[in-house]
Amino acid sequence: AQSVTQLGSHVSVSEGALVLLRCNYSSSVPPYLFWYVQYPNQGLQLLLKYTTGATLVKGINGFEAEFKKSETSFHLTKPSAHMSDAAEYFCAVSERGQTGANNLFFGTGTRLTVIP
Amino acid sequence: DSGVTQTPKHLITATGQRVTLRCSPRSGDLSVYWYQQSLDQGLQFLIQYYNGEERAKGNILERFSAQQFPDLHSELNLSSLELGDSALYFCASSLGQGVGSPLHFGNGTRLTVT
Repeated sequence: AQSVTQLGSHVSVSEGALVLLRCNYSSSVPPYLFWYVQYPNQGLQLLLKYTTGATLVKGINGFEAEFKKSETSFHLTKPSAHMSDAAEYFCAVSERGQTGANNLFFGTGTRLTVIP
Repeated sequence: DSGVTQTPKHLITATGQRVTLRCSPRSGDLSVYWYQQSLDQGLQFLIQYYNGEERAKGNILERFSAQQFPDLHSELNLSSLELGDSALYFCASSLGQGVGSPLHFGNGTRLTVT
């Protein structure tokens, strides 16, 4: 089964600084990888996804992530943090279940704080 | 707005009771997923339905059950509630059931068991 590890349950950055949220996965097959963001009192919103092809994936709100197979990583970055980026971020990996179902496994989340 | 609607937004009930959470998927989506989010366990997958049929089961307790109706809306039934069942319950939907299909989440139902 797949598993996802997010290093750092809390990350603080200054406004305008680089955002780096780490995600490592375990998989015996090529993975499908996702980043979701959760704002307070809301559901999860898809930021970006990697399926196949280009390993650098661009998402919404200026975020991007790079799939590195050799490192089994899918870290999320943004060049310049904005106050509105403060939220919880979840990395997820998808695998096909026995019935062909889409099983999505989430990491434990990283809460991003942006300091003015 | 994800297009996924969950009702009610908040639910407060007592231990031993039974509640039903409702989810309407995005228009056109055939798959519905239920997740439980709590502080100590994080985001846990409960169950998935595709076009009315159960497709996958996760960490769903026997006291919990779900179904997807012909109009594709889904209900999650929680019975014999315990204090530890207090959590945010999310519904998500996707167009297909295939691996890699992105999920679209509702805003959740916050259940408080007293």
